[in-house]
Amino acid sequence: AQKVTQAQTEISVVEKEDVTLDCVYETRDTTYYLFWYKQPPSGELVFLIRRNSFDEQNEISGRYSWNFQKSTSSFNFTITASQVVDSAVYFCALSGLGQGGSEKLVFGKGMKLTVNP
Amino acid sequence: DGGITQSPKYLFRKEGQNVTLSCEQNLNHDAMYWYRQDPGQGLRLIYYSQIVNDFQKGDIAEGYSVSREKKESFPLTVTSAQKNPTAFYLCASSIAALRDEQYFGPGTRLTVT
Repeated sequence: AQKVTQAQTEISVVEKEDVTLDCVYETRDTTYYLFWYKQPPSGELVFLIRRNSFDEQNEISGRYSWNFQKSTSSFNFTITASQVVDSAVYFCALSGLGQGGSEKLVFGKGMKLTVNP
Repeated sequence: DGGITQSPKYLFRKEGQNVTLSCEQNLNHDAMYWYRQDPGQGLRLIYYSQIVNDFQKGDIAEGYSVSREKKESFPLTVTSAQKNPTAFYLCASSIAALRDEQYFGPGTRLTVT
């Protein structure tokens, strides 16, 4: 079975602090895809990143960076120098072949980040 | 602008009534999805469609129905058989499959009393 765990449910930081959002996944697939999405207060999810299981290179996009480690089944997301606009709920998700061979997509429960001025 | 539209943003219904939520996309995506989001929960997949006139049940399809008569449209009907219909419903689309990045609509908040 596929599973995504975001152990932190809520984090509050002060602007300019760095913050890391943890994501741990479980899957038996050798080929799978990991995602991060951002859900601001407006409600619409915004795609941030997708990585496949064969690409363990870390990625940096501006203040955002992602650390993918297959050895620990983790795909953590770090925001450097956080800003108030980063306040949102962040979801980690996993796509792979579920039982029966059909594709499955599973979301974590999300982590609410509040960045205070 | 390309994107996904959902209407209405807020919807109120009496228990026992069926209600249909609209979802339209102009991204020329083959795949479309419906999710349900409850407070403190992640997104749960209700139904998805990867091609016109075909769709598959997700994890929580009971009490819901969909149709995919046009590539651009994927309406969701919440039937009276759905025991806890009050929730936030999100529609999404992707190029072809669940492994692709998804683009989401603004959501519809359904309240059933």
